[in-house]
Amino acid sequence: RKEVEQDPGPFNVPEGATVAFNCTYSNSASQSFFWYRQDCRKEPKLLMSVYSSGNEDGRFTAQLNRASQYISLLIRDSKLSDSATYLCVVNRDSSYKLIFGSGTRLLVRP
Amino acid sequence: SQTIHQWPATLVQPVGSPLSLECTVEGTSNPNLYWYRQAAGRGLQLLFYSVGIGQISSEVPQNLSASRPQDRQFILSSKKLLLSDSGFYLCASTTPGTRNTIYFGEGSWLTVV
Repeated sequence: RKEVEQDPGPFNVPEGATVAFNCTYSNSASQSFFWYRQDCRKEPKLLMSVYSSGNEDGRFTAQLNRASQYISLLIRDSKLSDSATYLCVVNRDSSYKLIFGSGTRLLVRP
Repeated sequence: SQTIHQWPATLVQPVGSPLSLECTVEGTSNPNLYWYRQAAGRGLQLLFYSVGIGQISSEVPQNLSASRPQDRQFILSSKKLLLSDSGFYLCASTTPGTRNTIYFGEGSWLTVV
């Protein structure tokens, strides 16, 4: 089993749609969770950290479910500019090793 | 926030040639430093990470090596490149005590021919 798993997609949605991605992790000792966005041929950029209580930033909402060992990202009112690959990041064993999922590709169409 | 300088941005190297990618970090002290590789259409694979000068942890067996000669300098090297070494190499940094938020350099595109 991979340490961090994501559905590769692509998720193809119309503008204005709501879309959700999940990411599962295998190590119950993990403590840091993030969502990153990566555009084609660019470096990943931080979208949001994921806190235990869940957090929201505009159209984006992140949730953490420790019991089931997954994090989620919800995007409301999708924009064309949201088209990108979304990477889930988890630290291993509460250490500084940050492990990336392989990413979920989102395509927002007009 | 941190700024990470990574170079060169693009390089094409023949099989068997050496490699040196360099990364420097500004805006923080005592960072944890990382080298990741991303093959075309794939996720990021952790290659090396370092928690201090001269301290290197290797994640996967390979013909690459890393060194950290100074606190904010991280170097990725190879003596003889393989075709399979082609990919997008990313240097990254986190600062302990900041919830491990990771910052990336702009990456280096390596094509081995």
